[in-house]
Order: sequence, then C-alpha cells, then structure tokens
Amino acid sequence: DTAVSQTPKYLVTQMGNDKSIKCEQNLGHDTMYWYKQDSKKFLKIMFSYNNKELIINETVPNRFSPKSPDKAHLNLHINSLELGDSAVYFCASSQDYGFGQPQHFGDGTRLSIL
Amino acid sequence: AQSVTQLDSQVPVFEEAPVELRCNYSSSVSVYLFWYVQYPNQGLQLLLKYLSGSTLVESINGFEAEFNKSQTSFHLRKPSVHISDTAEYFCAVTEGTGRRALTFGSGTRLQVQP
Repeated sequence: DTAVSQTPKYLVTQMGNDKSIKCEQNLGHDTMYWYKQDSKKFLKIMFSYNNKELIINETVPNRFSPKSPDKAHLNLHINSLELGDSAVYFCASSQDYGFGQPQHFGDGTRLSIL
Repeated sequence: AQSVTQLDSQVPVFEEAPVELRCNYSSSVSVYLFWYVQYPNQGLQLLLKYLSGSTLVESINGFEAEFNKSQTSFHLRKPSVHISDTAEYFCAVTEGTGRRALTFGSGTRLQVQP
C-alpha cells in the first residue's frame, strides 16, 4: 500500500499549457510538502501545508499554485508552463509540523516541457 | 540561513570496500540532520537521522553517521558496501527554530562496482 502517491508519474506537455499534479498520503500525517528536483539533482522546497494551511511558500513564480482540499491531499497546479519548469516534482509528508520530523516522499512526477 | 555541502558529487567504490560520504552544514542554531537515499526513478527514502542524544546513529542496513558539532559535519559511512547500495545519497538539515522544511545538499552518487 503506497504511503505517498503522486499522479501522473510522467507528464510531457507543451510550453504555455496548464497542468496539475496530484498527491495523496495515507499515513494520517498533518503536514505535506512539494519539492522540485532539477536536472542536477538539486532538491528545493516549494510549498508546505499543515492541516490544510499554507505555512511555507518559497520564492516560486505565481504560476505555481498549491491546493490542499484536505489533510491527505496536496495538489500542484502550474499555469503557462515554461521550459524551465522541466524537473521532477516530489510530494512529501510528515507526521506533523514538529521539529526534526522525518519526511516520507512519493516517487516523483517527471515533468518535461517541449 | 542554513546550507548543506556535499563535496563529492560521485564516489566510485568496489564491492565490499568501505565508503564515506561527506556532509557539512552551516547554521547559527541547533539543527536536525538526515541522510536520504534515492534509487533510480524513485523518491527519497530516509536512511537515518540525528535529532539529539548519541552522536552516532545507525541504519538497519549497515550505514552509520556521526554528528560532529565542532566540525559541523554529518558524514555517512559503511564498512562494506554492496552492489545494491548504488544510489544517490542526500544529506539534509532542518533547523531547531523557524521553518521545518528540509534543506538538501546537492547529493552524492555512490557507484558500487563488482
């Protein structure tokens, strides 16, 4: 039973399109995250939600909008896709927002912009 | 602001040889430290963590890491590696105050050769 699942696994689309990535966790965790991993494998936090409330919003373009309909889901919508958005996007969750909580990651969504 | 440096982007090693993957961090406050492993086309998996207490932490598959506050390091070691240990290894830190999101190093590719 997958703990943190993301869909789709692969996403190939053209510049200018709008796309969404979905994330669900069945661990009963309160906190969820989106990370971006670039072509050099560098991982960076984008957003974090705790109990459906946005708590971290890094310097990410406004074209990226996270939505958390409930504690178990954190979706990422991207408008007007650009070539530089090509990356692997990882969803993660942790028990709560306490310090030092380990995070559980999904398998990633590989986004390729043509 | 916190940062993590993994000096070695790639570490080739022969099977059954010992290995050390280096990680240094910078932070002005107390930190929590993690090592994550990423196998090809998968998400990150927690390998081990240091929160407090004993500075030597171990994982179930033979890896260990030692927190050295004076040298601001958290190097990962294994006395004898297997082919199956081939993966990307990420060191990460979160501070004991403020934001809880992980700050990752740039990763070290461990390549175990027969």
